[in-house]
Formats: sequence, C-alpha cells, structure tokens
Amino acid sequence: QKEVEQNSGPLSVPEGAIASLNCTYSDRGSQSFFWYRQYSGKSPELIMFIYSNGDKEDGRFTAQLNKASQYVSLLIRDSQPSDSATYLCAVTNNAGNMLTFGGGTRLMVKP
Amino acid sequence: EPEVTQTPSHQVTQMGQEVILRCVPISNHLYFYWYRQILGQKVEFLVSFYNNEISEKSEIFDDQFSVERPDGSNFTLKIRSTKLEDSAMYFCASRAVGDQPQHFGDGTRLSIL
Repeated sequence: QKEVEQNSGPLSVPEGAIASLNCTYSDRGSQSFFWYRQYSGKSPELIMFIYSNGDKEDGRFTAQLNKASQYVSLLIRDSQPSDSATYLCAVTNNAGNMLTFGGGTRLMVKP
Repeated sequence: EPEVTQTPSHQVTQMGQEVILRCVPISNHLYFYWYRQILGQKVEFLVSFYNNEISEKSEIFDDQFSVERPDGSNFTLKIRSTKLEDSAMYFCASRAVGDQPQHFGDGTRLSIL
C-alpha cells in the first residue's frame, strides 16, 4: 500500500514568515513529486514539481526532495494571507501514472 | 492559460440513476485522469486513460464506472447505477507527453440522494 503522509495542521504562521510544509512517502519507487494548493471547495492547483534530489525554487516557493529519507518539503517565503489553503503532497512512480495524494496540511497565514 | 473544463459544476441525482460527468482536457494533452474527493478526505485516483484505452485503474473503479473519449475533445466518466457513497467531488486532470505534471479541472460536485 503506497502511503503519503502529511501533518494535517493547521500550521499557523505570521504574515511575512517562512512556512515549512513536510511530506513523507512509503514507496521507494516514487520518482515524481508534486505540491498542489487547494482552497476550500476548490480543485487542486499545481504549485511545484520536483524529480531530482535537492532544491528547486520558483519565486517564493522552494521544493526540497530527499529520496534517501523519502521526504519532500515545500517552503513558502514571505507568506501572505492569500497563501492560506490546504497544501497537498502527491507522488507518482513515474510521471505518467496515478498520483497518490497525502491528506494535506492546512496553512493559515495571519496578518 | 489553457485549462481543463468540467461540466456540470454540480449534479444532483437519485440513487440508482446513471450519471455522466464531462471533461474537456487541455487541447495538446494526451493523458487523462479522473480523481474523486469525498468531503474531508484525500483526493483518490480512479482511472487513467491514454491512446483510447484505460492504462491504470484503482479498486474504486469497479464495473459501475466507465470512461470514454467520444470525440476529439471530450472525456467522460459514467457511473451506471449511483450509490449514496458515490457522493463526492470528481476531478478530471490531463497532462502533456513527457515528464509533465497533471492539471486539474474545477471539479463536479456529485450529490446522490
């Protein structure tokens, strides 16, 4: 059974701070890793994807992958109230296959 | 920016009735997916579709479910005889060839009475 685990939160950070979201996965064959943002009642919106160990930066977002530890994280710099949402971690064993989602971490950014 | 579109946004159906959920994937995408999310739960994979056939399906996707690409643009999910537990948000997703991520539509909220 492939599992993706996330702390459900809520994770509360002040505006302007760095939010750190974490995810672990059980399938060592996982190759592709995705972060989606989901506002309440809405669909998942792609934020970042990462395929190789290390860091990948895109604007205020940085994804970090450590395959040896089966761990992927998302850092959000200069957090804004509009970043308040549930962040979903998803993995596949190759880019074409099914996404296995974690339960999501609810982030609250307080003004 | 191109997007995946889904219709209807909300479907209310009596238990035992058939329902068809419709999706128009992004035009140059060749891989198509259906997921569902029961209220308060994880997003769950149902089925993937490529080259006019199912490439993978989950245990949820039993004989009551079917998918079809009836023309060059639409991708549909049919539930033959709906149950109360089919009530959920259903998301369609698509992706381009190569190592590309999946993009999701806005979803259809299915309510079974």
